Amino acid sequence: EVQLVESGGGLVKPGGSLRLSCAASGFTFSTYTMNWVRQAPGKGLQWVSSISSSSSYIYYADAVKGRFTISRDNAKNSLYLQMNSLRVEDTAVYYCARVIGEVRGYYFDYWGQGTLVTVSS
Amino acid sequence: SYELTQPPSVSVSPGQTARITCSGDGLPKQYAYWYQQKPGQAPVLVIYKDSERPSGIPERFSGSSSGTTVTLTISGVQAEDEADYYCQSADSSGSYQVVFGGGTKLTVL
Repeated sequence: EVQLVESGGGLVKPGGSLRLSCAASGFTFSTYTMNWVRQAPGKGLQWVSSISSSSSYIYYADAVKGRFTISRDNAKNSLYLQMNSLRVEDTAVYYCARVIGEVRGYYFDYWGQGTLVTVSS
Repeated sequence: SYELTQPPSVSVSPGQTARITCSGDGLPKQYAYWYQQKPGQAPVLVIYKDSERPSGIPERFSGSSSGTTVTLTISGVQAEDEADYYCQSADSSGSYQVVFGGGTKLTVL
């Protein structure tokens, strides 16, 4: 059974840092692209970042570029998101999600349960 | 930037058919995907590649595509289908940009 379990969320002050983790199990983690998607309270889904299976290709949404860093450790079946210079508008539930890529698109077939990040003074 | 547009809300009575649309200029070139999200839960994929249904998703969920609009259809709506529904696609310009629609709240009256 595929499982994605996020951790590391919490309350942080504006300008602070936080590192999220996502532990994967039930599939060959090293062969899949993984993404982070977030959802602000009462709002819609927003894509955050993507990392390919071997970390060769990394992408970020404009809203987080230069502040967030995605990484993975295939030996530990883990995905990470280092978040620096956090802003109030980064407050959200952060989900890790497994990506299925196709010629005409890519989508998320499995999601974690999410971890809440609250940025507030 | 690329956008997907959904109606904020759709309401239907039990047993009726609900149709949720999603519009975007890139949809003729890129597949659309649909997710169901219930309160306090993670999204669940209900349609992929415009009209394919993952295993475990009831047959009453279907998807279709016409030009710049894709449609999620739920036939014989049940109370348990009340949820937020999001369409998702990718930027067709070549850059890796995943785009979600704003979401549609389906209310079962």
